[in-house]
Amino acid sequence: EPEVTQTPSHQVTQMGQEVILRCVPISNHLYFYWYRQILGQKVEFLVSFYNNEISEKSEIFDDQFSVERPDGSNFTLKIRSTKLEDSAMYFCASRRGTSGATDTQYFGPGTRLTVL
Amino acid sequence: LAKTTQPISMDSYEGQEVNITCSHNNIATNDYITWYQQFPSQGPRFIIQGYKTKVTNEVASLFIPADRKSSTLSLPRVSLSDTAVYYCLVGDMTTDSWGKLQFGAGTQVVVTP
Repeated sequence: EPEVTQTPSHQVTQMGQEVILRCVPISNHLYFYWYRQILGQKVEFLVSFYNNEISEKSEIFDDQFSVERPDGSNFTLKIRSTKLEDSAMYFCASRRGTSGATDTQYFGPGTRLTVL
Repeated sequence: LAKTTQPISMDSYEGQEVNITCSHNNIATNDYITWYQQFPSQGPRFIIQGYKTKVTNEVASLFIPADRKSSTLSLPRVSLSDTAVYYCLVGDMTTDSWGKLQFGAGTQVVVTP
């Protein structure tokens, strides 16, 4: 069964450093998403991406964040200057993009980001 | 997106059926109801989705009454591995407004021997 993959599984970085989280969505999916989950809190939407541009973003997704689909398979989330409060699990998700009951989002296993 | 309300936690024993009810009084005509499961340190996993009446798959059943203002996820004969957080989400599947999933706190289900 196709699945969303993410690398690395765990990233440790110093405050102020840039990090890039990588995702490989399911191959025939057209919509891509990033979510995050701070430890003990709910899953929060960050951004959605379609047709090589951001379709929606949350208040969390400020100028420090950016997303890119550099090639036909990868989808990345970059945090330019990490802060302590960016420590969280980051989940990538994708969906096919067809209307109807079978169009659901599939999540990757997540990247645990720890900012020291 | 319609707001949902579900219990914070539920406890069960192995082999029992677990029913989690979600209220969504403001559900719109185009909204579907979707349930996700999440284990600690893992991504949410799609369980089941429905629009009305009853939907069943190999994992669970979803019961939706005629007024669609609530839904019940039924997990038959749970095992220890069903211990997880279960999220009820409601959203429009017919337009691009289904782009964003808004998760609540979910229901923590704990299964004990």
